[in-house]
Amino acid sequence: QKEVEQDPGPLSVPEGAIVSLNCTYSNSAFQYFMWYRQYSRKGPELLMYTYSSGNKEDGRFTAQVDKSSKYISLFIRDSQPSDSATYLCAMSAQAGTALIFGKGTTLSVSS
Amino acid sequence: GAVVSQHPSRVICKSGTSVKIECRSLDFQATTMFWYRQFPKQSLMLMATSNEGSKATYEQGVEKDKFLINHASLTLSTLTVTSAHPEDSSFYICSARPQSTTSGANVLTFGAGSRLTVL
Repeated sequence: QKEVEQDPGPLSVPEGAIVSLNCTYSNSAFQYFMWYRQYSRKGPELLMYTYSSGNKEDGRFTAQVDKSSKYISLFIRDSQPSDSATYLCAMSAQAGTALIFGKGTTLSVSS
Repeated sequence: GAVVSQHPSRVICKSGTSVKIECRSLDFQATTMFWYRQFPKQSLMLMATSNEGSKATYEQGVEKDKFLINHASLTLSTLTVTSAHPEDSSFYICSARPQSTTSGANVLTFGAGSRLTVL
Protein backbone atom coordinates (compact mmCIF):
# COMPACT_ATOMS: atom_id res chain seq x y z
CA GLN A 1 0.00 0.00 0.00
CA LYS A 2 1.32 3.40 -0.97
CA GLU A 3 1.62 6.00 1.75
CA VAL A 4 -0.74 8.39 -0.03
CA GLU A 5 -3.52 7.29 -2.35
CA GLN A 6 -5.27 9.64 -4.73
CA ASP A 7 -7.60 8.82 -7.59
CA PRO A 8 -5.92 10.19 -10.72
CA GLY A 9 -9.22 10.75 -12.53
CA PRO A 10 -9.63 12.41 -14.95
CA LEU A 11 -12.57 14.27 -13.47
CA SER A 12 -14.75 16.34 -15.81
CA VAL A 13 -17.39 18.75 -14.52
CA PRO A 14 -19.43 21.62 -15.96
CA GLU A 15 -18.72 25.18 -14.96
CA GLY A 16 -20.34 26.07 -11.64
CA ALA A 17 -20.24 22.53 -10.24
CA ILE A 18 -18.95 21.63 -6.81
CA VAL A 19 -15.84 19.50 -7.05
CA SER A 20 -14.68 17.06 -4.39
CA LEU A 21 -11.13 15.77 -4.43
CA ASN A 22 -9.85 13.24 -1.92
CA CYS A 23 -6.80 11.49 -0.61
CA THR A 24 -6.30 8.70 1.87
CA TYR A 25 -3.10 7.93 3.68
CA SER A 26 -1.67 5.18 5.82
CA ASN A 27 0.87 6.95 8.04
CA SER A 28 -0.87 8.09 11.22
CA ALA A 29 2.09 10.36 11.98
CA PHE A 30 1.16 12.77 9.19
CA GLN A 31 -0.06 16.03 10.62
CA TYR A 32 0.70 18.63 7.95
CA PHE A 33 -1.59 18.49 4.96
CA MET A 34 -1.49 20.51 1.79
CA TRP A 35 -3.17 20.78 -1.54
CA TYR A 36 -1.18 21.94 -4.53
CA ARG A 37 -2.40 22.84 -8.01
CA GLN A 38 -0.24 22.05 -10.99
CA TYR A 39 -0.81 23.29 -14.50
CA SER A 40 0.69 21.39 -17.38
CA ARG A 41 4.49 21.60 -17.50
CA LYS A 42 4.63 23.89 -14.47
CA GLY A 43 5.69 23.52 -10.88
CA PRO A 44 3.05 22.95 -8.19
CA GLU A 45 1.60 25.98 -6.45
CA LEU A 46 0.17 25.87 -2.95
CA LEU A 47 -3.60 26.12 -2.62
CA MET A 48 -4.38 25.13 0.95
CA TYR A 49 -2.45 24.25 4.07
CA THR A 50 -3.92 22.55 7.13
CA TYR A 51 -2.29 21.44 10.33
CA SER A 52 -3.86 18.44 12.07
CA SER A 53 -7.61 17.85 11.79
CA GLY A 54 -10.31 20.30 10.89
CA ASN A 55 -11.58 22.49 8.12
CA LYS A 56 -10.10 25.49 6.42
CA GLU A 57 -11.79 27.76 3.94
CA ASP A 58 -10.28 30.19 1.47
CA GLY A 59 -12.62 31.72 -1.04
CA ARG A 60 -14.10 28.96 -3.19
CA PHE A 61 -11.79 26.35 -1.69
CA THR A 62 -12.36 24.30 1.47
CA ALA A 63 -9.91 21.77 2.84
CA GLN A 64 -10.95 19.11 5.32
CA VAL A 65 -8.80 16.74 7.31
CA ASP A 66 -10.13 13.73 9.17
CA LYS A 67 -7.17 12.16 10.91
CA SER A 68 -9.27 9.43 12.52
CA SER A 69 -10.15 8.16 9.05
CA LYS A 70 -6.82 9.16 7.48
CA TYR A 71 -8.77 11.05 4.84
CA ILE A 72 -8.43 14.54 3.44
CA SER A 73 -10.60 16.43 1.01
CA LEU A 74 -10.55 19.54 -1.09
CA PHE A 75 -13.83 21.10 -2.18
CA ILE A 76 -14.06 23.65 -4.97
CA ARG A 77 -17.29 25.62 -5.16
CA ASP A 78 -18.54 27.34 -8.31
CA SER A 79 -15.82 25.71 -10.38
CA GLN A 80 -14.38 27.71 -13.26
CA PRO A 81 -12.61 26.64 -16.46
CA SER A 82 -9.47 28.22 -14.99
CA ASP A 83 -9.62 25.59 -12.25
CA SER A 84 -8.75 22.96 -14.84
CA ALA A 85 -5.45 21.52 -13.63
CA THR A 86 -3.98 18.63 -11.70
CA TYR A 87 -4.55 18.76 -7.95
CA LEU A 88 -2.01 17.08 -5.73
CA CYS A 89 -2.42 16.31 -2.07
CA ALA A 90 0.75 16.37 -0.01
CA MET A 91 1.55 15.66 3.59
CA SER A 92 4.33 15.27 6.10
CA ALA A 93 4.81 14.13 9.66
CA GLN A 94 7.21 16.80 10.83
CA ALA A 95 7.60 20.47 10.12
CA GLY A 96 10.19 21.22 7.49
CA THR A 97 10.54 17.71 6.15
CA ALA A 98 9.93 16.67 2.57
CA LEU A 99 6.35 16.27 1.45
CA ILE A 100 4.87 12.98 0.33
CA PHE A 101 2.59 13.49 -2.63
CA GLY A 102 -0.45 11.75 -3.97
CA LYS A 103 -0.56 10.89 -7.64
CA GLY A 104 -2.68 13.92 -8.46
CA THR A 105 -6.21 14.23 -9.82
CA THR A 106 -6.67 15.83 -13.21
CA LEU A 107 -9.69 18.13 -13.24
CA SER A 108 -11.35 19.55 -16.33
CA VAL A 109 -14.04 22.22 -15.97
CA SER A 110 -15.98 22.88 -19.14
CA SER A 111 -17.73 26.15 -19.89
CA GLY B 1 5.63 35.55 -0.83
CA ALA B 2 8.49 33.12 -1.16
CA VAL B 3 9.71 32.64 -4.71
CA VAL B 4 11.86 29.84 -6.04
CA SER B 5 13.52 30.25 -9.41
CA GLN B 6 14.61 27.22 -11.38
CA HIS B 7 16.80 27.27 -14.47
CA PRO B 8 16.78 26.09 -17.19
CA SER B 9 13.10 25.41 -17.73
CA ARG B 10 13.82 23.08 -20.58
CA VAL B 11 16.96 21.31 -21.74
CA ILE B 12 17.70 18.81 -24.45
CA CYS B 13 21.00 16.99 -24.40
CA LYS B 14 22.74 14.07 -25.99
CA SER B 15 23.16 10.79 -24.20
CA GLY B 16 26.34 10.71 -22.14
CA THR B 17 26.52 14.42 -21.43
CA SER B 18 25.96 16.14 -18.09
CA VAL B 19 23.29 18.69 -17.32
CA LYS B 20 23.16 21.16 -14.44
CA ILE B 21 19.90 22.53 -13.06
CA GLU B 22 19.90 25.50 -10.70
CA CYS B 23 17.41 26.26 -7.97
CA ARG B 24 17.45 29.66 -6.29
CA SER B 25 15.37 31.08 -3.47
CA LEU B 26 14.88 34.69 -4.49
CA ASP B 27 13.53 36.41 -1.41
CA PHE B 28 14.36 34.13 1.47
CA GLN B 29 17.14 31.95 2.73
CA ALA B 30 16.68 28.22 2.42
CA THR B 31 18.64 25.92 4.68
CA THR B 32 16.96 22.95 3.10
CA MET B 33 15.93 22.29 -0.46
CA PHE B 34 14.24 19.24 -1.87
CA TRP B 35 14.63 17.81 -5.35
CA TYR B 36 11.73 15.92 -6.88
CA ARG B 37 11.30 14.10 -10.16
CA GLN B 38 8.01 13.70 -11.98
CA PHE B 39 7.36 11.35 -14.86
CA PRO B 40 4.35 11.95 -17.15
CA LYS B 41 1.03 11.43 -15.35
CA GLN B 42 2.88 10.42 -12.20
CA SER B 43 3.28 12.03 -8.83
CA LEU B 44 6.26 13.95 -7.57
CA MET B 45 8.85 11.55 -6.22
CA LEU B 46 11.41 12.84 -3.76
CA MET B 47 14.95 12.30 -4.98
CA ALA B 48 17.03 13.97 -2.33
CA THR B 49 17.17 16.49 0.47
CA SER B 50 19.79 19.16 0.09
CA ASN B 51 21.15 20.88 3.19
CA GLU B 52 23.26 23.98 3.01
CA GLY B 53 26.88 23.23 3.79
CA SER B 54 26.52 19.48 4.09
CA LYS B 55 26.02 16.42 1.91
CA ALA B 56 22.67 15.73 0.41
CA THR B 57 20.51 12.88 1.66
CA TYR B 58 19.31 10.66 -1.16
CA GLU B 59 16.17 8.55 -1.22
CA GLN B 60 16.43 4.83 -1.69
CA GLY B 61 17.02 3.93 -5.30
CA VAL B 62 18.44 7.30 -6.32
CA GLU B 63 22.05 7.10 -7.46
CA LYS B 64 24.01 9.80 -5.69
CA ASP B 65 26.91 9.52 -8.12
CA LYS B 66 24.58 10.15 -11.01
CA PHE B 67 22.53 12.94 -9.48
CA LEU B 68 25.03 15.29 -7.89
CA ILE B 69 23.56 17.87 -5.55
CA ASN B 70 25.41 20.90 -4.26
CA HIS B 71 23.92 23.39 -1.79
CA ALA B 72 26.79 25.81 -1.35
CA SER B 73 24.80 28.81 -0.16
CA LEU B 74 21.51 29.62 1.54
CA THR B 75 19.95 30.65 -1.77
CA LEU B 76 21.31 28.17 -4.32
CA SER B 77 21.16 24.42 -4.82
CA THR B 78 22.21 22.68 -8.01
CA LEU B 79 21.37 19.26 -9.40
CA THR B 80 23.75 17.81 -11.97
CA VAL B 81 22.62 14.82 -13.96
CA THR B 82 25.85 13.13 -14.96
CA SER B 83 26.23 10.93 -18.03
CA ALA B 84 22.57 11.37 -18.82
CA HIS B 85 20.65 8.63 -20.58
CA PRO B 86 17.20 8.65 -22.21
CA GLU B 87 15.67 7.05 -19.11
CA ASP B 88 16.72 10.15 -17.15
CA SER B 89 14.32 12.23 -19.24
CA SER B 90 11.86 13.66 -16.78
CA PHE B 91 10.53 16.80 -15.12
CA TYR B 92 12.81 17.84 -12.27
CA ILE B 93 11.38 20.19 -9.67
CA CYS B 94 13.08 21.77 -6.71
CA SER B 95 11.43 23.14 -3.62
CA ALA B 96 12.70 25.25 -0.81
CA ARG B 97 11.82 25.74 2.81
CA PRO B 98 12.41 29.11 4.44
CA GLN B 99 14.86 29.30 7.30
CA SER B 100 12.15 30.19 9.81
CA THR B 101 10.89 27.33 11.95
CA THR B 102 7.34 28.62 12.36
CA SER B 103 4.56 26.23 11.36
CA GLY B 104 4.00 28.13 8.15
CA ALA B 105 7.53 27.30 7.13
CA ASN B 106 6.48 23.69 6.60
CA VAL B 107 4.90 24.83 3.39
CA LEU B 108 7.29 24.15 0.55
CA THR B 109 7.56 26.55 -2.33
CA PHE B 110 8.28 24.94 -5.67
CA GLY B 111 10.21 26.08 -8.66
CA ALA B 112 8.63 25.98 -12.11
CA GLY B 113 10.47 22.78 -12.95
CA SER B 114 13.05 21.77 -15.53
CA ARG B 115 12.10 19.42 -18.32
CA LEU B 116 15.06 17.28 -19.33
CA THR B 117 15.04 15.37 -22.58
CA VAL B 118 17.96 13.09 -23.27
CA LEU B 119 18.31 12.00 -26.88
